[in-house]
Amino acid sequence: QKEVEQDPGPLSVPEGAIVSLNCTYSNSAFQYFMWYRQYSRKGPELLMYTYSSGNKEDGRFTAQVDKSSKYISLFIRDSQPSDSATYLCAIITGRRALTFGSGTRLQVQP
Amino acid sequence: EAQVTQNPRYLITVTGKKLTVTCSQNMNHEYMSWYRQDPGLGLRQIYYSMNVEVTDKGDVPEGYKVSRKEKRNFPLILESPSPNQTSLYFCASRSTGIFEQYFGPGTRLTVT
Repeated sequence: QKEVEQDPGPLSVPEGAIVSLNCTYSNSAFQYFMWYRQYSRKGPELLMYTYSSGNKEDGRFTAQVDKSSKYISLFIRDSQPSDSATYLCAIITGRRALTFGSGTRLQVQP
Repeated sequence: EAQVTQNPRYLITVTGKKLTVTCSQNMNHEYMSWYRQDPGLGLRQIYYSMNVEVTDKGDVPEGYKVSRKEKRNFPLILESPSPNQTSLYFCASRSTGIFEQYFGPGTRLTVT
């Protein structure tokens, strides 16, 4: 079983929609969870990170961790065409390394 | 400007011809690492370095070498590239104790 699994999409939504991006993970001991955004032909950049369970909000973005079901989510409210990118979840695993999901490609249609 | 730079950005080479991809960061970060990104597989770590002269294998180290002689530089060496090393490569760095990694712009390598 992979340590982190993510639906690759692609996901296409109209401008203004609420987007939900999700990952599952295998080890309940993991505590640090991150979301990276990667624009085409660019390197990933950190969007948000959360520690343990609960929600974290930053503008239109909300990261949520449900440790009981080993599920992490990123919600984007009022999605914009500029949000079109690949979103990667990432988890701090052993030896403080980052393990990434395979990424979900999001397209927001104007 | 704080950044991670990689060179070259694009490289087409032939099987067996040694190559080096350079990576440099100007943020005085201790930790540097190399990833490869393949469709459906996401980012996988190749090697990492906790500091100068300290390197260790990541998840997919076979066929790669690294060195860390200076804090700012972390080159990736392919001694005898093979077609299965065709991929998009990213270098990243961060400070010890900080989770945010800064990624370079990527190097697209094609081995024929």
